[in-house]
Amino acid sequence: KNQVEQSPQSLIILEGKNCTLQCNYTVSPFSNLRWYKQDTGRGPVSLTIMTFSENTKSNGRYTATLDADTKQSSLHITASQLSDSASYICVVSDNQGGKLIFGQGTELSVKP
Amino acid sequence: DVKVTQSSRYLVKRTGEKVFLECVQDMDHENMFWYRQDPGLGLRLIYFSYDVKMKEKGDIPEGYSVSREKKERFSLILESASTNQTSMYLCASSTRPLNTGELFFGEGSRLTVL
Repeated sequence: KNQVEQSPQSLIILEGKNCTLQCNYTVSPFSNLRWYKQDTGRGPVSLTIMTFSENTKSNGRYTATLDADTKQSSLHITASQLSDSASYICVVSDNQGGKLIFGQGTELSVKP
Repeated sequence: DVKVTQSSRYLVKRTGEKVFLECVQDMDHENMFWYRQDPGLGLRLIYFSYDVKMKEKGDIPEGYSVSREKKERFSLILESASTNQTSMYLCASSTRPLNTGELFFGEGSRLTVL
């Protein structure tokens, strides 16, 4: 069964610190992996999209990595800010029906 | 900038009422989607449409129907709302093909059914 598992479920860090969020998937055949940021009460916004051949992709202070062999991805946030407090959702797309499989998200809270 | 607009941010309805959730996108995208989001369950696909008047069931279509009469507009209909349909509803649009087109979401419609 195609699944996307994210860890941790929630995370609290102090402003200015770095953190890493994890995403493991069993989706096959793989097409691409996306990370979204969802502020409370708002719709998700795309951070990165990575295909099979991409190992790393950055968007400002956000850096996503992909290991297609182990089917793992991580999202690293550098020098966190209060505005980084949000839910981060990992989404994997298959290469057959084009289905998007969503992880349950990691709830990040950045404290001053 | 792509804009996906959902007509209502917050709705409160009574059990048995018919509910319409409207979504409009301004980027001429072929694909449009309706998801519901519940705590601990993530986003689940209700219906999607890849062209005008075309629709496909997602993972949880029961109790819902959709309408796409114009390319820019995708409506979600709850024929007879029930309390278990209390949720956050998210509309999204993307270009083709389905598996590579970037997905743009609306701000969401939080529905409470009493």
